[in-house]
Amino acid sequence: GAVVSQHPSWVICKSGTSVKIECRSLDFQATTMFWYRQFPKQSLMLMATSNEGSKATYEQGVEKDKFLINHASLTLSTLTVTSAHPEDSSFYICSARGENYEQYFGPGTRLTVT
Amino acid sequence: AQKITQTQPGMFVQEKEAVTLDCTYDTSDPSYGLFWYKQPSSGEMIFLIYQGSYDQQNATEGRYSLNFQKARKSANLVISASQLGDSAMYFCAMREHSYNTDKLIFGTGTRLQVFP
Repeated sequence: GAVVSQHPSWVICKSGTSVKIECRSLDFQATTMFWYRQFPKQSLMLMATSNEGSKATYEQGVEKDKFLINHASLTLSTLTVTSAHPEDSSFYICSARGENYEQYFGPGTRLTVT
Repeated sequence: AQKITQTQPGMFVQEKEAVTLDCTYDTSDPSYGLFWYKQPSSGEMIFLIYQGSYDQQNATEGRYSLNFQKARKSANLVISASQLGDSAMYFCAMREHSYNTDKLIFGTGTRLQVFP
């Protein structure tokens, strides 16, 4: 149980374009999902908390207009990187919260902006 | 503010031996939760074990056990009978929650390498 999928697993896009990443909880309902960013050899950096049916809560320093988060259902949250630039290249990981506040993570999406 | 510290950037252990990965934390909350995650080279974060601050016994999950010492504010992960597949990054995390936030904060991680 507690499986979270993420799509796509990797994506290459041109500078200036937008990219959408999907995060799905496959076998449980997740009212709360999280989006992280991870640079090479570093820990996870929380970007935002996504609550079903309401606006996401962004961490300090994360641009809301650049990283659009939508949590339209109990099993799906999406992150859209708008007008992507090379500095947005990173590993993006989503997670869904379980009953004991543990988080179940997706496999991650590697974004490369050329 | 809550804080998680992992002082070991890297650890080596021989196959079939036990290894302890250190984690200390700092919090003023009386109720908190501690977690350990494994991140292999594929990138996926795998949930390993959870310890609640009021749990009377140390958590165990198969070959993983958590050496929880509340007074010392430490929550070390013990992996018994190491396997080559245990080679990965390991992150300790703590739940941080307040009236307007509920999230996990992560340590910097420890890279474990298991050799034959």
